[in-house]
Amino acid sequence: NAGVTQTPKFRVLKTGQSMTLLCAQDMNHEYMYWYRQDPGMGLRLIHYSVGEGTTAKGEVPDGYNVSRLKKQNFLLGLESAAPSQTSVYFCASSYPAGGPMNTEAFFGQGTRLTVV
Amino acid sequence: AQSVSQHNHHVILSEAASLELGCNYSYGGTVNLFWYVQYPGQHLQLLLKYFSGDPLVKGIKGFEAEFIKSKFSFNLRKPSVQWSDTAEYFCAVILNRDDKIIFGKGTRLHILP
Repeated sequence: NAGVTQTPKFRVLKTGQSMTLLCAQDMNHEYMYWYRQDPGMGLRLIHYSVGEGTTAKGEVPDGYNVSRLKKQNFLLGLESAAPSQTSVYFCASSYPAGGPMNTEAFFGQGTRLTVV
Repeated sequence: AQSVSQHNHHVILSEAASLELGCNYSYGGTVNLFWYVQYPGQHLQLLLKYFSGDPLVKGIKGFEAEFIKSKFSFNLRKPSVQWSDTAEYFCAVILNRDDKIIFGKGTRLHILP
């Protein structure tokens, strides 16, 4: 039981390059999230998904796209990377709040992305 | 609009001191409340959670938090901190109208040996 797995763990991109971050969870969670963490800014929600085939914008969605084609996977894409997207990215998953399996969010280990 | 706020951005304490980190949320309906901890270089881990029932919640490593509905607060406490408690602490809330998790900006705790 791996929990939440993020790949890659580290990446350096040049400005304008594209990349996709993969998040996979094996807990059958409905909800999945992508956050970015920057010093002094806490965790800011980029996009999230409440189920397979659905996505929604969070607090800071600009410059990112996401897809949830399979329930267990949530992909975060950067089409044209910018230095402002240098950050640590965390994926998380959870059951819906208030449901019979109500529980907390589980986090991946993070992806450290540097855009030069 | 900020739904969860943490009052202290950086706290420095000596070992054995008592700790209280503030967390307030701005929503009048049903909430689920959490405290997460992030040790240096690691991902977030759950310290404790409140869904319903006893408003005093016990977590791991001697931490506890009290949900005070009238004050919209969920403060984290520990009677005697250790050097190993040095970490960043995040309060989080699920507002059941939205169903997504919202995090505070975090409190960086530094314990002096």
